Amino acid sequence: GQNIDQPTEMTATEGAIVQINCTYQTSGFNGLFWYQQHAGEAPTFLSYNVLDGLEEKGRFSSFLSRSKGYSYLLLKELQMKDSASYLCAVRDPPGNTPLVFGKGTRLSVIA
Amino acid sequence: IAGITQAPTSQILAAGRRMTLRCTQDMRHNAMYWYRQDLGLGLRLIHYSNTAGTTGKGEVPDGYSVSRANTDDFPLTLASAVPSQTSVYFCASSAGTESSPLHFGNGTRLTVT
Repeated sequence: GQNIDQPTEMTATEGAIVQINCTYQTSGFNGLFWYQQHAGEAPTFLSYNVLDGLEEKGRFSSFLSRSKGYSYLLLKELQMKDSASYLCAVRDPPGNTPLVFGKGTRLSVIA
Repeated sequence: IAGITQAPTSQILAAGRRMTLRCTQDMRHNAMYWYRQDLGLGLRLIHYSNTAGTTGKGEVPDGYSVSRANTDDFPLTLASAVPSQTSVYFCASSAGTESSPLHFGNGTRLTVT
């Protein structure tokens, strides 16, 4: 099974950089996913990490350390539209098992 | 536009009534899932199906049943609704590989009174 921890809420200023952390305890590991969810909407896929290191996608980057059971999502040049919940999810082996989600981090971007 | 369609968008249901939430995808994804999302609890898996004809139980399956007669459809049935089943229900699908992300429908907001 999985135990996934994320901060409940964060606030950051427009134009700044924010890092959202995710830690997990697992008996196995088959990849970590980040999702964005605006209020009242469905989650949308942001990034996938299965190997250690940083994956960059425009203003968003995601980092993984498997030995530490740790990931973070880095958002640069924050915009008001980035105000949303960010969900960390882990996949157990083997194969294509369902994702287990953390409770999400609600990010508020202020002017 | 390809994707996942859920129906209804919202529903108010009397306790004890039977209800089926519908989910259809047109991406030919092998795997489909039902999650419920509650404030403070996040997304929790109810049932899933890795391929047509097979289903599995998730973290919170009690009071729910599913079927997967074909690739496209994955309905979720509440046999006798209870107030604790008030939630937002999301259907999702994935292509079926380890790196495949989940694609979510727009959700069904269900209130059981």
